[in-house]
Amino acid sequence: RKEVEQDPGPFNVPEGATVAFNCTYSNSASQSFFWYRQDCRKEPKLLMSVYSSGNEDGRFTAQLNRASQYISLLIRDSKLSDSATYLCVVNLGGQNFVFGPGTRLSVLP
Amino acid sequence: EADIYQTPRYLVIGTGKKITLECSQTMGHDKMYWYQQDPGMELHLIHYSYGVNSTEKGDLSSESTVSRIRTEHFPLTLESARPSHTSQYLCASSEVAGSFPDTQYFGPGTRLTVL
Repeated sequence: RKEVEQDPGPFNVPEGATVAFNCTYSNSASQSFFWYRQDCRKEPKLLMSVYSSGNEDGRFTAQLNRASQYISLLIRDSKLSDSATYLCVVNLGGQNFVFGPGTRLSVLP
Repeated sequence: EADIYQTPRYLVIGTGKKITLECSQTMGHDKMYWYQQDPGMELHLIHYSYGVNSTEKGDLSSESTVSRIRTEHFPLTLESARPSHTSQYLCASSEVAGSFPDTQYFGPGTRLTVL
């Protein structure tokens, strides 16, 4: 079983749709959690850290459920520019950042 | 925006050449990392450093070597490039800041093609 698993993509959604991505992690000692976005042939860019209380940044909402070892990302009112691959990242401590395989999102006009 | 830079952005080179991929950051971060990523695939850690004169190999075996003589600089060297080294190489740095978790910031990457 992979340490970090994500919804297999791709997700093809119309503009304005709400889309939710799920991520599960296997190591209960995981310390911190992140969502990154990566455009084709570009570097990953931090979208948001994920806190136990949940956090929101504009149209993006992230949730963490430590008991179920589950992280989610909700994108409301999706834009064409949201098209990218979304990476779930878990830090086990120290240099141990574990990247999920990513879920590709295509927002269609 | 993260202040982390990589050069060259693209490199096409012949087999057997020695190459050095440069990475520098101006954020004063102690921790730096090199990842390798093939198209459509996951990132794999090949080297990391906790600070000056500290370097360790990552999870993915790599024939490359790194050095960390200055905090801001973390170059990666391939003594003899081979076609199997063709990939994207991503440099990152991180630092714990106050109550915020250790968060990685990535450079733009070097896309290496070995003919």
